[in-house]
Amino acid sequence: GQQVMQIPQYQHVQEGEDFTTYCNSSTTLSNIQWYKQRPGGHPVFLIQLVKSGEVKKQKRLTFQFGEAKKNSSLHITATQTTDVGTYFCAGPDSGGSNYKLTFGKGTLLTVNP
Amino acid sequence: GAGVSQSPSNKVTEKGKDVELRCDPISGHTALYWYRQSLGQGLEFLIYFQGNSAPDKSGLPSDRFSAERTGGSVSTLTIQRTQQEDSAVYLCASSLIRSTYLSYNEQFFGPGTRLTVL
Repeated sequence: GQQVMQIPQYQHVQEGEDFTTYCNSSTTLSNIQWYKQRPGGHPVFLIQLVKSGEVKKQKRLTFQFGEAKKNSSLHITATQTTDVGTYFCAGPDSGGSNYKLTFGKGTLLTVNP
Repeated sequence: GAGVSQSPSNKVTEKGKDVELRCDPISGHTALYWYRQSLGQGLEFLIYFQGNSAPDKSGLPSDRFSAERTGGSVSTLTIQRTQQEDSAVYLCASSLIRSTYLSYNEQFFGPGTRLTVL
C-alpha cells in the first residue's frame, strides 16, 4: 500500500534556528497537505500544494512540492516557541479515493527558548 | 460557526466493556473520518464516510470496531469488548468535498476522545 514517510521523527532546536521536515511518498501525489498539531491539541490544516514544483509561503513557513510530486518539505525560518508541535504531511490515498488521506508519522519539533 | 465536536472528551473503561464515541461534524460537510492516535504516534486511519456511499472500513483494526453515520451527519464509533491496546485518542475529522482534483479538501479535526482501558 501507499506509504508516506517523514523525516526526521524528532527535531530539537534553539529558538531562532531554522527547521526543516521532509515528506516522501511511495507514489505520485495529486496534492499534498500539511497539518500542525500542538501538544495536547488536534491537527490543524496549514496548507495544500497541488502543482509540481510549487512553493508557498506563510510568514516564516515555506512549503515546497517536488517536481515529481512525490516529495515535499516544510521549512521554518527563525523558529519561535510558538512553532512547537508535530508537523504532519498527508497525501491522497492511492487506492482510488482522492478524499482519503494517508498521513506521515509526523515530525515533533521542540524549541528551546 | 461551530467546529467538529466530539464526546466524551475522556473515557475510562474496564477491559471487556463496550464504548461509544460520538462525533458531530461541521454542518454541511459530506465527508467524515475517524482516526486513532496512540501516544506520540501518527494518525491511524480507521474509517471514512462520504455522502451516501458505502463507508471505507479498510482501517478498522478488528471486528470489535464499527462505526455508523446517521442522516449524513453525526457519527458514532463503537468499540466492543475493549482491550488495553485500544487505549488512544480517537480523532474525528470532517471535510467539505469540493471537487475531485481541485481538492482543497482539508480536514477539520475535532478535539478527540481520550480512551483509557484499564
